[in-house]
Amino acid sequence: EDQVTQSPEALRLQEGESSSLNCSYTVSGLRGLFWYRQDPGKGPEFLFTLYSAGEEKEKERLKATLTKKESFLHITAPKPEDSATYLCAVQADFNKFYFGSGTKLNVKP
Amino acid sequence: SAVISQKPSRDICQRGTSLTIQCQVDSQVTMMFWYRQQPGQSLTLIATANQGSEATYESGFVIDKFPISRPNLTFSTLTVSNMSPEDSSIYLCSVEGGEQLYEQYFGPGTRLTVT
Repeated sequence: EDQVTQSPEALRLQEGESSSLNCSYTVSGLRGLFWYRQDPGKGPEFLFTLYSAGEEKEKERLKATLTKKESFLHITAPKPEDSATYLCAVQADFNKFYFGSGTKLNVKP
Repeated sequence: SAVISQKPSRDICQRGTSLTIQCQVDSQVTMMFWYRQQPGQSLTLIATANQGSEATYESGFVIDKFPISRPNLTFSTLTVSNMSPEDSSIYLCSVEGGEQLYEQYFGPGTRLTVT
């Protein structure tokens, strides 16, 4: 069964304390893995797309990596404004799109 | 990336009534998607809407409950019919587009409360 699992469900960090969010997936025919940021009351905001194992993308304090089974979103020296829910999604065969349940990140000053 | 707007941004509706949500994109796109995000949950795809053809619904969603229109390449509507409190949710439209394949961009969402 195709599925996407994110961990942890929630993460509390102190400002400057680096960490990683995990997205593991089991799908048939991975076409792409996507990371989104969602602020309360808003639609998801696109961050990254990864297509193949070994690929990495960076944007400011965020870095996304991909293996054959999972993806990590590394947050380096986070700031309070990085607080949000981070969603992982996978596109598989037949244009099926699966979202994980998200990791709610809270960065304390 | 595409700029997407939705109307209304929120609504409170009575049980048994229907609500039509509009999604407008600032550029022409082939594929538009409608999602539901129930409180505290992630996104679930309702249907894919291509211009000029019938919408394709995911398992658990039917056209009688969620009729969709796609009259042109920049606009779509989703109607939530005969609503019940279980339909209370955020409804989001998205489009595929961007610099790389399969990227999806989302509208701000419509927060629906059914009483």
